[in-house]
Amino acid sequence: AQTVTQSQPEMSVQEAETVTLSCTYDTSESDYYLFWYKQPPSRQMILVIRQEAYKQQNATENRFSVNFQKAAKSFSLKISDSQLGDAAMYFCAYRSARGFGNEKLTFGTGTRLTIIP
Amino acid sequence: NAGVMQNPRHLVRRRGQEARLRCSPMKGHSHVYWYRQLPEEGLKFMVYLQKENIIDESGMPKERFSAEFPKEGPSILRIQQVVRGDSAAYFCASSPTQETQYFGPGTRLLVL
Repeated sequence: AQTVTQSQPEMSVQEAETVTLSCTYDTSESDYYLFWYKQPPSRQMILVIRQEAYKQQNATENRFSVNFQKAAKSFSLKISDSQLGDAAMYFCAYRSARGFGNEKLTFGTGTRLTIIP
Repeated sequence: NAGVMQNPRHLVRRRGQEARLRCSPMKGHSHVYWYRQLPEEGLKFMVYLQKENIIDESGMPKERFSAEFPKEGPSILRIQQVVRGDSAAYFCASSPTQETQYFGPGTRLLVL
């Protein structure tokens, strides 16, 4: 079974600075998807970024980028120019690409990010 | 295009009552997933449904829990004879194909 580990329960960063959230995962599969979701105080789950394992290029969405290291099974999220609205719980998630019937997301335990004004 | 809708947003039940949670997927999405989030924990998969079919229920408790996604209408997660341990946030997600899942706002269930 796949597992996702987020070893940083809490992180804080000064506004406008850069912060990196860590995520590692364990799988025997070669093809899969990785995601970062954000959960602000409203508790809505919001997709931040997605990475396909077969793509070597790291995904980027505006101020959010990932460092995907497939051999190391590492998938960290970098937030540049941190803003107050970035304060939230961040969850890393894994999904198999094996196809029909294997679509469930496996989540890590989350990292609570605080932005210091 | 409206997002995934869940109702009610908050639900209070006494022990032994039934809880019904509803999820309307995004327009054009035929895949629905239910997840449960216990306090201070990550989300845990419960069940994956397509219209009229349960595809994967490996995360569903064997008793008291059931889910459906009828041809017409929302998906329903039903919890019979609720206990205090069922208190959690229940999230529904939908996707157009077996790809990115988009989440609803969740239903917070409190069992007294």
